[in-house]
Amino acid sequence: SQQGEEDPQALSIQEGENATMNCSYKTSINNLQWYRQNSGRGLVHLILIRSNEREKHSGRLRVTLDTSKKSSSLLITASRAADTASYFCATDKDSSYKLIFGSGTRLLVRP
Amino acid sequence: ETGVTQTPRHLVMGMTNKKSLKCEQHLGHNAMYWYKQSAKKPLELMFVYSLEERVENNSVPSRFSPECPNSSHLFLHLHTLQPEDSALYLCASSPGQGGGYEQYFGPGTRLTVT
Repeated sequence: SQQGEEDPQALSIQEGENATMNCSYKTSINNLQWYRQNSGRGLVHLILIRSNEREKHSGRLRVTLDTSKKSSSLLITASRAADTASYFCATDKDSSYKLIFGSGTRLLVRP
Repeated sequence: ETGVTQTPRHLVMGMTNKKSLKCEQHLGHNAMYWYKQSAKKPLELMFVYSLEERVENNSVPSRFSPECPNSSHLFLHLHTLQPEDSALYLCASSPGQGGGYEQYFGPGTRLTVT
């Protein structure tokens, strides 16, 4: 069954606004990753956060992880039209060697 | 450019055809993956290879046959496919095996089965 579930499924914002996407998962994890996918293309890795970390930053991206709530959030600040894409969280389960991806959030940034 | 290439980018095949998808990574990674991405469904892991050895076969029908001749190349051989196999097939690689490593994806092969 699906491990990660993103929320919302779709998000439309104005350029310059912040975008927040959430990911919830069911079982304990070692790592959680966020990826971006432009339409019909391959996925691009954004951030990896380990289970003993609470927050990570990369440029305009901020990821938080709350293992007690089994949830993570991805914040994109000062969004740009080029941020329009689908965003996926991916988790591993316990000692699993594979990633399980959620269904994604489709983000539209209007110029 | 992620360092992972896939060919062909688009493929249309009939249900009786045999074709192969090719993936090549130029990153010196030890693990390679095949994923299937269908419309409105999460990314599905199909196969995992680590150091050229298959470590995961995720209940994939036998009409999909992977091959990993060396750590840089991965193939997916297709035969007698069904229309529901139409999807975007993504290859990925990572430095090591496991969720603690980021994966680098190729651009995908858009497969249409007629």
